Amino acid sequence: AQSVAQPEDQVNVAEGNPLTVKCTYSVSGNPYLFWYVQYPNRGLQFLLKYITGDNLVKGSYGFEAEFNKSQTSFHLKKPSALVSDSALYFCAVRDRAGNNRKLIWGLGTSLAVNP
Amino acid sequence: KAGVTQTPRYLIKTRGQQVTLSCSPISGHRSVSWYQQTPGQGLQFLFEYFSETQRNKGNFPGRFSGRQFSNSRSEMNVSTLELGDSALYLCASSLVGQATGETQYFGPGTRLLVL
Repeated sequence: AQSVAQPEDQVNVAEGNPLTVKCTYSVSGNPYLFWYVQYPNRGLQFLLKYITGDNLVKGSYGFEAEFNKSQTSFHLKKPSALVSDSALYFCAVRDRAGNNRKLIWGLGTSLAVNP
Repeated sequence: KAGVTQTPRYLIKTRGQQVTLSCSPISGHRSVSWYQQTPGQGLQFLFEYFSETQRNKGNFPGRFSGRQFSNSRSEMNVSTLELGDSALYLCASSLVGQATGETQYFGPGTRLLVL
């Protein structure tokens, strides 16, 4: 069965330090991969996606993510965290093939950046 | 370009009542998807509409229904509300939907509280 795992419910980092939010997936074939962020009482905002090509994808607000096919991972990273990055982060995957190509969502990782 | 709008933003209902939520997609987007978000379950896919037809459906009871109009605006209805229906309901739009690696854009959500 297709699935997405965000193994950490919460990540805490100090402002100015690098941050990583992890995502692994189980999808047959080559997936489309997405990261979204949700601020309190808001909808989800698109950060970045991997479609094809360079495994390192750059997105909004200084975030980037690296697609690793062998490890079936798509970890979100930022070199220097800001307090304003504190939010809920979701990873999502869609299979390229097959008839049922819904987005499969992780349960989210709460990021807390401490001043 | 205006984003995805959802109305109302907040709702309080009692058990047994029914509720209708509305979503206006980004202009030109023809695919609208609905999600239920709860703290414990993350984002759960309800259904997707494209060109006034339900194209995909999640694992929700028949109390949850939706429709899409010719202008791509969509509504979802929940009948005979239960306490467990309390959640944030999110609408997302995209140009053509799940067939590609395109991005879904989310509205701010409707927060439903069932008492």
